[in-house]
Amino acid sequence: GQSLEQPSEVTAVEGAIVQINCTYQTSGFYGLSWYQQHDGGAPTFLSYNALDGLEETGRFSSFLSRSDSYGYLLLQELQMKDSASYFCAGYNTDKLIFGTGTRLQVFP
Amino acid sequence: KAGVTQTPRYLIKTRGQQVTLSCSPISGHRSVSWYQQTPGQGLQFLFEYFSETQRNKGNFPGRFSGRQFSNSRSEMNVSTLELGDSALYLCASSSLSSGRPYEQYFGPGTRLTVT
Repeated sequence: GQSLEQPSEVTAVEGAIVQINCTYQTSGFYGLSWYQQHDGGAPTFLSYNALDGLEETGRFSSFLSRSDSYGYLLLQELQMKDSASYFCAGYNTDKLIFGTGTRLQVFP
Repeated sequence: KAGVTQTPRYLIKTRGQQVTLSCSPISGHRSVSWYQQTPGQGLQFLFEYFSETQRNKGNFPGRFSGRQFSNSRSEMNVSTLELGDSALYLCASSSLSSGRPYEQYFGPGTRLTVT
């Protein structure tokens, strides 16, 4: 089957850097996406890695290593508004397979 | 551009009943996907439609079905509801012509409670 595992919860303080890992057991993913979901809200797209390496989008960066079946989302200069759930998602032929999700709590 | 809209936002049904949920994608988006979100199982892919054709289906029983209309609006139906069907049902649309089919735009969801 296809599965993407993430830590269930991560905590950090404002201004810090946090890394959310995603390990997957599957084949055939075209790439790895990251989505953010605030409580009561809809998931919103953050980034996508089609190739191995680092993609940077403002305070957020995402990394993919296909050989290690591993990716991560790096959030810098954390703000209170970054408190949310974060999901990695493997993209494969018009569908997203979501990871287990990581709840990030940012403290002042 | 208006975002993805879903109706109704909240729904309470009784076991054994059936339910139909509706989704209107972003204008110009022809791919519509449905997901079920529960605390225990997370976000699970139900099915994906493009040009009125179901192209992908997740691992859900046949009680879950859907369709897409010529204007790209989509509906999903759940028959013979079970308590375990209580969940947030999310619809997402994407534009294949954008070259970013992996970037899906989600609606606010329909919160279904089965009693």
